[in-house]
Amino acid sequence: DAKTTQPNSMESNEEEPVHLPCNHSTISGTDYIHWYRQLPSQGPEYVIHGLTSNVNNRMASLAIAEDRKSSTLILHRATLRDAAVYYCIYSGGSNYKLTFGKGTLLTVNP
Amino acid sequence: EAGVAQSPRYKIIEKRQSVAFWCNPISGHATLYWYQQILGQGPKLLIQFQNNGVVDDSQLPKDRFSAERLKGVDSTLKIQPAKLEDSAVYLCASSVSGYTEAFFGQGTRLTVV
Repeated sequence: DAKTTQPNSMESNEEEPVHLPCNHSTISGTDYIHWYRQLPSQGPEYVIHGLTSNVNNRMASLAIAEDRKSSTLILHRATLRDAAVYYCIYSGGSNYKLTFGKGTLLTVNP
Repeated sequence: EAGVAQSPRYKIIEKRQSVAFWCNPISGHATLYWYQQILGQGPKLLIQFQNNGVVDDSQLPKDRFSAERLKGVDSTLKIQPAKLEDSAVYLCASSVSGYTEAFFGQGTRLTVV
């Protein structure tokens, strides 16, 4: 199964940027990097995904290292509603299986 | 657009009883996933369907768990007989294909007593 390494927890202040790191040293050239987040008592929610280039959407930015062995999810201005568990996943192979790890618990302080 | 629908939201059963969960994915989504999430852990993939065919069920405890996806749309996940360690949230997700974003339902919280 695809393995990623993330910090167990991180803390941020409201309206400040947050950089959530992820290591995925065993990623292959065709694997996509995905980020999902899970708010309390809800199912996971898609945040962003990418292959090689940095990606931006309305929720966040994804910065992918040149060797693709690590990536960083960037929340430009954290809000209290961003407090969640953030999962970094890479998927590939014939069925692009999404294998979740333990994720990073993000706490946002007012 | 309507999201992934799951029912029931909550279920309490005694060990050795059977239980079934239902999932209605987003219309047009070919890929359907069932995950088990034990408290404090990330979701664990149980089974992945592409249309009505199984593409991965390597972590499905086949002696007690079964799943089917009729006509490539709705899906049911069954546990028979249930054990105490099956207490978890069961999440259904769907996507257009295996490499596009997946949309998750709210889940079914199962308590086995």
